[in-house]
Amino acid sequence: SAVISQKPSRDICQRGTSLTIQCQVDSQVTMMFWYRQQPGQSLTLIATANQGSEATYESGFVIDKFPISRPNLTFSTLTVSNMSPEDSSIYLCSAQTPGLRKEQYFGPGTRLTVT
Amino acid sequence: DAKTTQPTSMDCAEGRAANLPCNHSTISGNEYVYWYRQIHSQGPQYIIHGLKNNETNEMASLIITEDRKSSTLILPHATLRDTAVYYCIVRVDFGNEKLTFGTGTRLTIIP
Repeated sequence: SAVISQKPSRDICQRGTSLTIQCQVDSQVTMMFWYRQQPGQSLTLIATANQGSEATYESGFVIDKFPISRPNLTFSTLTVSNMSPEDSSIYLCSAQTPGLRKEQYFGPGTRLTVT
Repeated sequence: DAKTTQPTSMDCAEGRAANLPCNHSTISGNEYVYWYRQIHSQGPQYIIHGLKNNETNEMASLIITEDRKSSTLILPHATLRDTAVYYCIVRVDFGNEKLTFGTGTRLTIIP
């Protein structure tokens, strides 16, 4: 299994500013992902964080708005840039452990409110 | 990835077995069935997954029909802590390993 922590757990930000969310895994993992969960809705995948190369973004998400870094096998960051109230969501990091079982583990999420 | 269909909500009495159905009629031969749950204000939690055989672990059992077009997640003795949204997801295990979440089933355990 893998234990995932995220910082910050929550934040209130002003529109036009940026916030960087950190995701730390307690063991080496193969793949890391970033999801968004808007109020009352299901999870939507933003991107796959690739170690040592540019992230792979899903349709509707772009690097300029959500730059992602993954400098090593246990750490990733997601930045929400030039925020607007529509960016108010929970942002979740997940990681997939190596091996045959292909289980994904999720962090507790970062609750972002943009005013 | 194949699309899944789940009931929007279900209730179950505490101590009884909770049976959560999922339809995945367009599932491909190389796609697995995964179940996750999300308890309020927490990240999703892996429960179980399977390809075609029934699976059981300490949390639940997964029953997959022979034609693999539907499955049922069984929580054998539901407790209040099992109240959550349960997601059924189909996914290949190699090549495209992202999870695509649907709307899930909101399970409420009644005391």
